[in-house]
Amino acid sequence: GAGVSQTPSNKVTEKGKYVELRCDPISGHTALYWYRQSLGQGPEFLIYFQGTGAADDSGLPNDRFFAVRPEGSVSTLKIQRTERGDSAVYLCASSPRTSDTGELFFGEGSRLTVL
Amino acid sequence: DQQVKQNSPSLSVQEGRISILNCDYTNSMFDYFLWYKKYPAEGPTFLISISSIKDKNEDGRFTVFLNKSAKHLSLHIVPSQPGDSAVYFCAATAAGGTSYGKLTFGQGTILTVHP
Repeated sequence: GAGVSQTPSNKVTEKGKYVELRCDPISGHTALYWYRQSLGQGPEFLIYFQGTGAADDSGLPNDRFFAVRPEGSVSTLKIQRTERGDSAVYLCASSPRTSDTGELFFGEGSRLTVL
Repeated sequence: DQQVKQNSPSLSVQEGRISILNCDYTNSMFDYFLWYKKYPAEGPTFLISISSIKDKNEDGRFTVFLNKSAKHLSLHIVPSQPGDSAVYFCAATAAGGTSYGKLTFGQGTILTVHP
């Protein structure tokens, strides 16, 4: 489809394991965002890419979280030594560099459960 | 520190009547505000936005009002339809910055429109 694609849609892992979540943005969108949504809360900003570089990673909670976008398209969010508190829906969004409305286009999210 | 607050967790409205969803913010640097709608198992979708230089923006059945002095905005849906039943998120950003897509979301309000 033409929307933002995220895989896997669901991931169950054990505490301490390593996890990768993938985001395929809308073709031509230069900006890419990762958000995290915990139960009963709104999405929380994690990191923003403009092209290949992380323009703002101030939302990453600690150094167990890392994200890359090596070719300026697909992005991977990597979580090391997962903890139960990492359980959430991880949302990816993309946008053109400029927008009249400031709209972000979100994917359906990857639900991560850490047992 | 919740910079964007939606104090009503839920709202129930009869079909055809007006739905009013409220949002308060504390950060004076926010100058652009958006509303997103979210259905279960889907990502948030953009609804409407407003710049701080305006006090009202209208798009079909949806109108957003901004009261800068009170740091308050509201979304009006008239007339409400059963298909409007979803979670509504208020979001804010400092659009003049380099990360205009770095949104701060409220906790969301569950709107239920009864036939």
